[in-house]
Amino acid sequence: DAKTTQPTSMDCAEGRAANLPCNHSTISGNEYVYWYRQIHSQGPQYIIHGLKNNETNEMASLIITEDRKSSTLILPHATLRDTAVYYCIVRVNYQLIWGAGTKLIIKP
Amino acid sequence: SAVISQKPSRDICQRGTSLTIQCQVDSQVTMMFWYRQQPGQSLTLIATANQGSEATYESGFVIDKFPISRPNLTFSTLTVSNMSPEDSSIYLCSVGLAGLSRETQYFGPGTRLLVL
Repeated sequence: DAKTTQPTSMDCAEGRAANLPCNHSTISGNEYVYWYRQIHSQGPQYIIHGLKNNETNEMASLIITEDRKSSTLILPHATLRDTAVYYCIVRVNYQLIWGAGTKLIIKP
Repeated sequence: SAVISQKPSRDICQRGTSLTIQCQVDSQVTMMFWYRQQPGQSLTLIATANQGSEATYESGFVIDKFPISRPNLTFSTLTVSNMSPEDSSIYLCSVGLAGLSRETQYFGPGTRLLVL
């Protein structure tokens, strides 16, 4: 079973920051949080991952709470091409356990 | 990251037949994974395919139904045997690339299978 819970869907206006929350209250100390997205039934695309520190790359930022029980993925300037299903995943050993994800719709 | 290709990209098959899906990576990788994504659903891991050893199957998946080959560090195949309409899904391969924080998985484009 997935160790994460996410909203089923979210909307965001184009050009604004999209903030996607994720709860992982049962995460263990050595388990990483990964984010992927899947655009229109393409293969999932890796976005970012972290353990306990906040992370940033060219695609997004990942904010992890101090107790590690939740995190937020931030897309700083959302575009229409960011419309996708976003998956927050806790990696258990080498396995990615996939939940249902959040369908993010970017509106013009 | 890695460039991963899958063949075929899609297929329509008759029940009772088998289909072999190929996954090719542009670099040598130790760990390869096969997933199934049923319509409207999330991804489910079928098996892990490491070169030089038998594939490790997840609960609910068996080798007779989903035989896997891993002849080298850049290639793997998944066969969907004796297909039924319930096998209609997207089949995805992924590879694990080592990094400072252990393996990150990168995915191929998927094979869309429709069984009639």
